[in-house]
Formats: sequence, structure tokens, C-alpha cells
Amino acid sequence: GENVEQHPSTLSVQEGDSAVIKCTYSDSASNYFPWYKQELGKGPQLIIDIRSNVGEKKDQRIAVTLNKTAKHFSLHITETQPEDSAVYFCAASIRSGYALNFGKGTSLLVTP
Amino acid sequence: EAGVAQSPRYKIIEKRQSVAFWCNPISGHATLYWYQQILGQGPKLLIQFQNNGVVDDSQLPKDRFSAERLKGVDSTLKIQPAKLEDSAVYLCASSHRTSGGNQETQYFGPGTRLLVL
Repeated sequence: GENVEQHPSTLSVQEGDSAVIKCTYSDSASNYFPWYKQELGKGPQLIIDIRSNVGEKKDQRIAVTLNKTAKHFSLHITETQPEDSAVYFCAASIRSGYALNFGKGTSLLVTP
Repeated sequence: EAGVAQSPRYKIIEKRQSVAFWCNPISGHATLYWYQQILGQGPKLLIQFQNNGVVDDSQLPKDRFSAERLKGVDSTLKIQPAKLEDSAVYLCASSHRTSGGNQETQYFGPGTRLLVL
């Protein structure tokens, strides 16, 4: 089955700096790659996603890049703010409507 | 639009007891998922429903876990008997197909936090 690796497990940045989280996946058939943000005591919330026919996608301060040849994708957060502090999960899915395979998460701390 | 609802939010039981969780998906969402999230890990699928039929239950420990979605809307997940290693957050998610037929975005509920003593 699909195996998703996520790095780093923890990340601490100063407010205003950029944060980058990287994920790799094993199944070349994977074609959908969402990123979720999970705050303490809450369920995961989708923040951005990318499909295999797109190399990059941006939404305000958040961007995701995908390299299908290398089987890795990354989340970039610019101008970080304290409210960006949370656990971020990458995921991959091999087919439309199928369940997601999640990475182990990255705990991001943005200090003022 | 109301989100995915789950109850209870917290549950503490002793090992070998039984417990049930309830999920009400977003209105109109045909697909419903139950995930298990152990502390420090990402969610792991337990079972996926399409309307009232099971799509994937390959990772559901069927000797102790069961789930149903009888009318294709609400769903219940049951554990009987519970083990210490079942302590986790149980997340329900729902989705519907986009107009372009692309991957269905999954929306998660707040989860039920289970502690087995």
C-alpha cells in the first residue's frame, strides 16, 4: 500500500519567516495530495491540495509544489504568524474517492 | 453549511467494556469515512462507506470493531471489547464528488477522544 513520509516532525520559526514541510510517497499511482492543519482538540482542516496534473498551486501565503518524478511534494508557508502554529499533515490518495494515506505530521511553532 | 458532527467528544472506559461513537456527515455527502488517530500519528482509515454500502474495511479489526450506516446518512462505530491500544481519537469525515469528477475533498469532524484504562 501507499506509504507517506513527512519531515520534519517539529519545526520552530520566528514570526514572519517561511516554513517548509516535505513529504514523499511510494505509490506512483497516487494522484491527489492534500494538506491538512490540525489545531489542538480539533479535527484536521483542509488548507490546500494539488492534483497530479499540476506542479504548483498557491493560495495567499500558502503554496504546494509537486514533483511526480521524484515522488515528493512540499508545503510552503510564507510570512508566518503565531496563528499558523498547529500540526500539519500531508496525505496522498491513489484514486478519486479513495481514502487518504497520511504522513505522521509536523508540529509547527511560530514564535512572536 | 453545518460541518461533520460527532458525539460524544470524550469517553473514558475500562478495558473489555464496549463503546459506541456517532457521526452525522455534511448534508448530501454520500461518502463517509472513519479514521483512527493515535497520539503523535496521522489518521488511519478504518472503514469507508458509499451511501449505505462498505467500500473499504480492510484495516478494520473486525474481531472487535464494527460500523454501520443503515440509512446512508448517520453512522455508528462500535468497539467491543475495548483494549488499551484502542485509546485514540476517532475521526469521522465525509465527502462528495466535485462536478469535474475529481478527488472528493474530505471534511473532518472534531473527533471523539477515547481513553481505555
